[in-house]
Amino acid sequence: SQKIEQNSEALNIQEGKTATLTCNYTNYSPAYLQWYRQDPGRGPVFLLLIRENEKEKRKERLKVTFDTTLKQSLFHITASQPADSATYLCALFSFQKLVFGTGTRLLVSP
Amino acid sequence: DTAVSQTPKYLVTQMGNDKSIKCEQNLGHDTMYWYKQDSKKFLKIMFSYNNKELIINETVPNRFSPKSPDKAHLNLHINSLELGDSAVYFCASSQDPPGGGGTQYFGPGTRLTVL
Repeated sequence: SQKIEQNSEALNIQEGKTATLTCNYTNYSPAYLQWYRQDPGRGPVFLLLIRENEKEKRKERLKVTFDTTLKQSLFHITASQPADSATYLCALFSFQKLVFGTGTRLLVSP
Repeated sequence: DTAVSQTPKYLVTQMGNDKSIKCEQNLGHDTMYWYKQDSKKFLKIMFSYNNKELIINETVPNRFSPKSPDKAHLNLHINSLELGDSAVYFCASSQDPPGGGGTQYFGPGTRLTVL
């Protein structure tokens, strides 16, 4: 069956460290993958897109990798700040629609 | 300026009632969506319209009926509400259909509670 798995347990890190979130998928062949941030009581906000022929994408303190062999994307936030605390969702494009993972909650403590 | 807006923000109603949620986007986008996010935070596509035409219709009970009067609006009408319909409903829009890889812009959500 098709699955998108993100760590359901919250990731707790200290300010200044690098946060690494994982998105694994099974039985999909996505043309691209996106990462979104969702704060409590708000809608998801787009962060980055990476296509199947790209290994890595960067935007400011954010970096995404995409390994189609491992069927995995990693999302990194360097020099993390308490303001980065939120739920991060990966979404992959399959069968003409975006399919979302359940998200990983990130908590950055001062 | 709000890019994607939804009304109402909260909706509490009794089982069996009919209700509507409205969505408007001022981004000039051609594609709009409805998503449902359940209590486990799983976000799932329900419908998508491109230029007022239905392009995605997931396995959703036919009690749910989307209506797009124009490109900027996509409303969701729900008949005979059931307890299991309780969730947060998000409207979203993008310039291109999902195949184009475009960013989706989400509204603030409507929390529907069915008693």
